[in-house]
Amino acid sequence: DQQVKQNSPSLSVQEGRISILNCDYTNSMFDYFLWYKKYPAEGPTFLISISSIKDKNEDGRFTVFLNKSAKHLSLHIVPSQPGDSAVYFCAALGGSNYKLTFGKGTLLTVNP
Amino acid sequence: GAGVSQTPSNKVTEKGKYVELRCDPISGHTALYWYRQSLGQGPEFLIYFQGTGAADDSGLPNDRFFAVRPEGSVSTLKIQRTERGDSAVYLCASSTMGGPGEQFFGPGTRLTVL
Repeated sequence: DQQVKQNSPSLSVQEGRISILNCDYTNSMFDYFLWYKKYPAEGPTFLISISSIKDKNEDGRFTVFLNKSAKHLSLHIVPSQPGDSAVYFCAALGGSNYKLTFGKGTLLTVNP
Repeated sequence: GAGVSQTPSNKVTEKGKYVELRCDPISGHTALYWYRQSLGQGPEFLIYFQGTGAADDSGLPNDRFFAVRPEGSVSTLKIQRTERGDSAVYLCASSTMGGPGEQFFGPGTRLTVL
């Protein structure tokens, strides 16, 4: 069973608009969350993270929001750029502090 | 500086054969991880090394899979008697230490078992 769920396989947005990628989790032991970005034929690259003691973390155009009671997090990208087009993976840590549990990913396409 | 490198980038083998996949982590990184990404899925944890020792191999699917890191740097993932279900992208990652810090991923080895 999927402990980290990304229910939208794909998302398409216009350049300059906001992209919102969603992630839900089921394991209450998860206490640290990360977003990775992946281009074709490359490995995932770290984008942004958030600890469960926070509800928001911002880094430039990227903001991650965490709602612990709903076991939900989201990544906001604003403004979206064509170079943001990639697969975005939500990942979680908990129990162990090294074993990443990934969702299936969301393919983001930003149209010029 | 150089990132995580993995060789080969692609490997095609026949069912029942033995394969070795190599990972060169970022210099100085003591922690090394292997993940497997099947089609349409996210990466799944296989094994974690801290230095030379496998600190957690709970993700290895069965005893056909084995990994080593004899000198605490390069790691080799070994798969015996390959099966078609082993076809996937095998990703290696490294970090400065095991913990909630950033894991740096290599480009992966795409394994195809015919």
